[in-house]
Amino acid sequence: AQSVTQPDIHITVSEGASLELRCNYSYGATPYLFWYVQSPGQGLQLLLKYFSGDTLVQGIKGFEAEFKRSQSSFNLRKPSVHWSDAAEYFCAVHGGGATNKLIFGTGTLLAVQP
Amino acid sequence: EPEVTQTPSHQVTQMGQEVILRCVPISNHLYFYWYRQILGQKVEFLVSFYNNEISEKSEIFDDQFSVERPDGSNFTLKIRSTKLEDSAMYFCASSEGQGQPQHFGDGTRLSIL
Repeated sequence: AQSVTQPDIHITVSEGASLELRCNYSYGATPYLFWYVQSPGQGLQLLLKYFSGDTLVQGIKGFEAEFKRSQSSFNLRKPSVHWSDAAEYFCAVHGGGATNKLIFGTGTLLAVQP
Repeated sequence: EPEVTQTPSHQVTQMGQEVILRCVPISNHLYFYWYRQILGQKVEFLVSFYNNEISEKSEIFDDQFSVERPDGSNFTLKIRSTKLEDSAMYFCASSEGQGQPQHFGDGTRLSIL
């Protein structure tokens, strides 16, 4: 069965520092992968997606993610974090085929220090 | 940018009562979904809906749950007899097609007393 693991429950970075949030998935074929961000009291906003092709995908708000099949990973990165990036970040996988559902990781809560 | 809207933002209901959560998906989207997030836990899939019928549902989506698209714009989730453990944030989502990115609303926080 498909699954998503986000090993880091909580990360704190300083404003202006670089960021990498880890995501590992379990799926037999090439998955569709997504990163969502949830600000307090808000819904889930799509940051970026990977379907196929170029393994480095660009998203909104200066985020990017790299699909590495050999490591079953889809890590989210940002070169310079802003205070407004403080939020919870969710990695999700869509199995394709007959299923419609997204399977989410447990999320990583990002705190940004001034 | 078009968005998914959900009402109400917060619903407080007595245990055993029926509740209806409402959603207006993005207008040209064909697939609709409900997810829930119990406080402190991951977002879980409940059900997907396409062509006026359920296309997939999870084990959570038992007989107390139902979905409906009563008109061309609304998509509802009904919980017939609420339990304490139904307290959660419920998210509606929609997508243009299968496998396409799902766009989420801001959620309805359901509190069962």
